[in-house]
Amino acid sequence: SQQGEEDPQALSIQEGENATMNCSYKTSINNLQWYRQNSGRGLVHLILIRSNEREKHSGRLRVTLDTSKKSSSLLITASRAADTASYFCATDALASGGSNYKLTFGKGTLLTVNP
Amino acid sequence: KAGVTQTPRYLIKTRGQQVTLSCSPISGHRSVSWYQQTPGQGLQFLFEYFSETQRNKGNFPGRFSGRQFSNSRSEMNVSTLELGDSALYLCASSLAAGGTQYFGPGTRLTVL
Repeated sequence: SQQGEEDPQALSIQEGENATMNCSYKTSINNLQWYRQNSGRGLVHLILIRSNEREKHSGRLRVTLDTSKKSSSLLITASRAADTASYFCATDALASGGSNYKLTFGKGTLLTVNP
Repeated sequence: KAGVTQTPRYLIKTRGQQVTLSCSPISGHRSVSWYQQTPGQGLQFLFEYFSETQRNKGNFPGRFSGRQFSNSRSEMNVSTLELGDSALYLCASSLAAGGTQYFGPGTRLTVL
């Protein structure tokens, strides 16, 4: 089963609006990362937030992490048509039954920004 | 620095055949991970290699295997291909396990 689950599965907004995507996970994590994927190409890393951090900013991106609720949110402000992509959260956590950390991806949120 | 490269970019095979995909990580990166992406299952972790050793393995059958060479380049092999193996196979490298992953463009495999 997926460690991270994004919500909503799809989001459609107008240019200039803000977009918020959420991610919930199940186990304790070392860090949580957000990635973007354009049309079936490789993923691009956006931001990493560690388990002892609550909020992080990068340009128009703002990520929050609530470890008590096991959830994170990604906010994209003043969206642009070029932000149209799928967004994935990935949790870095101990692999089940193992001693190594493993990065596990959710199924993603498809964001469409209409010009 | 050059990014992660994957070859080939596109591949068409028939059921029962085998395939080998190649990944060259970013220079200096010792961790290479492989993922399978399909519309139905999303991004699924296959395995991770670090310094030629498999550190983690996902829940895939033994037909899926991989290896990493001393120069950190990695290959994955799928034997006895099935229709359901059609997918985008992504390789990612990182400096250390669990850190930021840098993805290649992927290899799109179609099994007929």
